[in-house]
Amino acid sequence: TQLLEQSPQFLSIQEGENLTVYCNSSSVFSSLQWYRQEPGEGPVLLVTVVTGGEVKKLKRLTFQFGDARKDSSLHITAAQPGDTGLYLCAVSYGNNRLAFGKGNQVVVIP
Amino acid sequence: DAGVTQSPTHLIKTRGQQVTLRCSPKSGHDTVSWYQQALGQGPQFIFQYYEEEERQRGNFPDRFSGHQFPNYSSELNVNALLLGDSALYLCASSPGRVATGELFFGEGSRLTVL
Repeated sequence: TQLLEQSPQFLSIQEGENLTVYCNSSSVFSSLQWYRQEPGEGPVLLVTVVTGGEVKKLKRLTFQFGDARKDSSLHITAAQPGDTGLYLCAVSYGNNRLAFGKGNQVVVIP
Repeated sequence: DAGVTQSPTHLIKTRGQQVTLRCSPKSGHDTVSWYQQALGQGPQFIFQYYEEEERQRGNFPDRFSGHQFPNYSSELNVNALLLGDSALYLCASSPGRVATGELFFGEGSRLTVL
């Protein structure tokens, strides 16, 4: 059983469109992270959310942590080809040991 | 400031062989973790090294072993390779005494087992 379920697994959109991807679990977490992984690269941390209901913005990316701290969403406004990548949510088990979801593969077509 | 570096970037092995992958952590980091990422999957935790000892281990068989050197660099060894070991192996570093959950990853070593 996957601890973190990410949906949709694959999403292809046109440049300029908006998109939202989700990370869900039945467990409660003290914090949750989003990473982006581009082809041939390792994951890069985008944001850490800690408080239930928290919203964080990173340019055109908006991250929200669910009120119950069981789920999170990532919304991209006016997507650009540079937003193409695998978006991974992750939670920490302590001592910086992370459990990842399978990822949301996003493709933005010019 | 060099980030996390891994070598080799790509390698091909045959079943039954052994492989060694290497990692140098980000400057100032003393903890190294290894992850396996199969195609279409998220990274899976293999183990973590701190102060030259294995501090945590994921659900991987004993064929997977590692080592950390006094300069904090690390090696991942896999014996008796199976086809299913084909994956991207990621090294991540972090400061050992601060559990922020923020990891810095290398670009990975792509292993293909034929």
